[in-house]
Formats: sequence, structure tokens, C-alpha cells
Amino acid sequence: KAGVTQTPRYLIKTRGQQVTLSCSPISGHRSVSWYQQTPGQGLQFLFEYFSETQRNKGNFPGRFSGRQFSNSRSEMNVSTLELGDSALYLCASSLQGAGLNPWGWKGNEQFFGPGTRLTVL
Amino acid sequence: EDKVVQSPLSLVVHEGDTVTLNCSYEVTNFRSLLWYKQEKKAPTFLFMLTSSGIEKKSGRLSSILDKKELSSILNITATQTGDSAIYLCAAGGTSYGKLTFGQGTILTVHP
Repeated sequence: KAGVTQTPRYLIKTRGQQVTLSCSPISGHRSVSWYQQTPGQGLQFLFEYFSETQRNKGNFPGRFSGRQFSNSRSEMNVSTLELGDSALYLCASSLQGAGLNPWGWKGNEQFFGPGTRLTVL
Repeated sequence: EDKVVQSPLSLVVHEGDTVTLNCSYEVTNFRSLLWYKQEKKAPTFLFMLTSSGIEKKSGRLSSILDKKELSSILNITATQTGDSAIYLCAAGGTSYGKLTFGQGTILTVHP
């Protein structure tokens, strides 16, 4: 079974531009979570999508947005880039995602893609 | 606010040594504790521990969850240079799709 894929793997942008990152989850997984990883802050949760709906959002400004398509593929968009947005952006897929359902415990098992390294100049 | 703390932050050992990595967590409606290994790429899943599975073992790696102490340990026996990596601990609750990560422990294994 193929793993999580992310494209592109590397991106260089300048301040003020916008960027779109893509993530394809493991086949059969319906939940996609996005994280930002920086040396100073570590891995921080951005948002989660399930069945084309954003179910959860972390503490990031509105410049960070996303969406999910009917095939569970997800995109993340960052508008008006700032120098501080330079980071490794990781997406992770899981069967259900956590939540108040009988399979909640299983949903926390997340598998990560290779990440997109974004550099903002 | 959910919080995960790992210790030590870095560790240098020689091949053959045994290491223990620590993780403590405070997560609302805690459900699971996960360990990942990260080399120069994305985190690779190692273990998930829950109330129905508080001990896991795979080869030289093993992990235990102590729900009373809100903590977990990851043991690596007979370390090898290939074990050099950042080990991340993460905790999940019922918040959809969200894992809270610790800062990571940088393990360096010298030949």
C-alpha cells in the first residue's frame, strides 16, 4: 500500500506571495491533518479535514487555509507569506481521525508524508 | 492547553548501550500516546499506546504507558548507529486529528 505523498517537496517563495501544498493520503484513509515543523516550535497542528470538512483548527492566523477533495486528497494554502512561515509542512493521514466515535482511539494513529520544505525569502 | 514534555532533549551513547527516553503529557480527554522516529525526513510511526495496550515491543524497541503518572518511556536496547535520530512523543485526545508533540529527544549513537 502506497504511503502518504506530498508535493512539491521543496519550494522557495518571496514575502507576500502565496503557496499551495498538496497531500494525498494512504488509500482508504479519510482524515488528513496538517502540521508545521520549525526548529523553535517543533511540530504544531494546523488543521484537520475529514470528508471534505474542516473539523479542527490549530492556533494559526487566517492566512493558513486548506481544503479536502472527494478523493480525500488535501491542499493547504498560505497567503501573504512571511519570513516566519519558512518551515517543513507535514501532512498525516489516518483512518478516521480522533473524535467521539467508537473508533476514536484508532483514529489517532497518524502516518506522515515526506513533507514540503518551504523557504520564504 | 495540551502539553507534552520529553527528556532528555539530547543523548549521546555508544553502540551497544541501552537508552530510555521519557515523555510526560497533559492532554484533555487523553486517548493515545504515540512515538515517532524522525531522521532527515518525515516522522516514522513506531508505537501507539492506549488504555487497551499499555505496552508495545518491536525488536530492540519497547514502550510503556503509565496512565497514572501521565507518562511513557521508550527503551532502545543494544543501540546501533542507525538508531541515531530525533524521537518524538505525541499525545492525542478526542480533538479531531490533533496530536500534540513534545520537543523531541535527539539521540546520537557513536560506533
